[in-house]
Amino acid sequence: NAGVTQTPKFQVLKTGQSMTLQCAQDMNHNSMYWYRQDPGMGLRLIYYSASEGTTDKGEVPNGYNVSRLNKREFSLRLESAAPSQTSVYFCASNPTGFSGNTIYFGEGSWLTVV
Amino acid sequence: DQQVKQNSPSLSVQEGRISILNCDYTNSMFDYFLWYKKYPAEGPTFLISISSIKDKNEDGRFTVFLNKSAKHLSLHIVPSQPGDSAVYFCAASESGSARQLTFGSGTQLTVLP
Repeated sequence: NAGVTQTPKFQVLKTGQSMTLQCAQDMNHNSMYWYRQDPGMGLRLIYYSASEGTTDKGEVPNGYNVSRLNKREFSLRLESAAPSQTSVYFCASNPTGFSGNTIYFGEGSWLTVV
Repeated sequence: DQQVKQNSPSLSVQEGRISILNCDYTNSMFDYFLWYKKYPAEGPTFLISISSIKDKNEDGRFTVFLNKSAKHLSLHIVPSQPGDSAVYFCAASESGSARQLTFGSGTQLTVLP
């Protein structure tokens, strides 16, 4: 039972490098999300996709881009990584954009930018 | 300015006793509140929720209380078990919209055997 799968789990980047975090869900969910979690702060929404083919900015979108490749996959790209983007990133999905009680999270991706 | 605040970063309780985790919010438009539980190296998982039309919701050992006038909610775990040791996040949304979930900073609960 895969649920929401994120790769990579750990990554160290140098400032200015680019990378893509991959996320896939096998639950046929319409909505997908990318969050970041920082010490002393809750999860903050970076971008979300209400359905295949649509993406919208969340609370902290600067420095990121996303692609909803198909219904299953939602990737997060850092074009030019900065130390401020050191964080734990969580992908999530749910059947619709409503009901936080049906949102499923991946296990997280630990990103360090040096 | 954090709209959802969990002022206690950590809490320790003895096994079998009650754990009470607190959460305060400032946005009066929030009408749906949730608690998530997170173990190390895992993503958060949904635990329990409450709509603003209720003041209490119970699910087994877990009860959430909502005091709208005080803009305060709490999660009670009775009895606490060592397996409950985790980080607990409070979250709130407007109209139940998952894309508008606002999370608190979390409370690390440790249940001592």
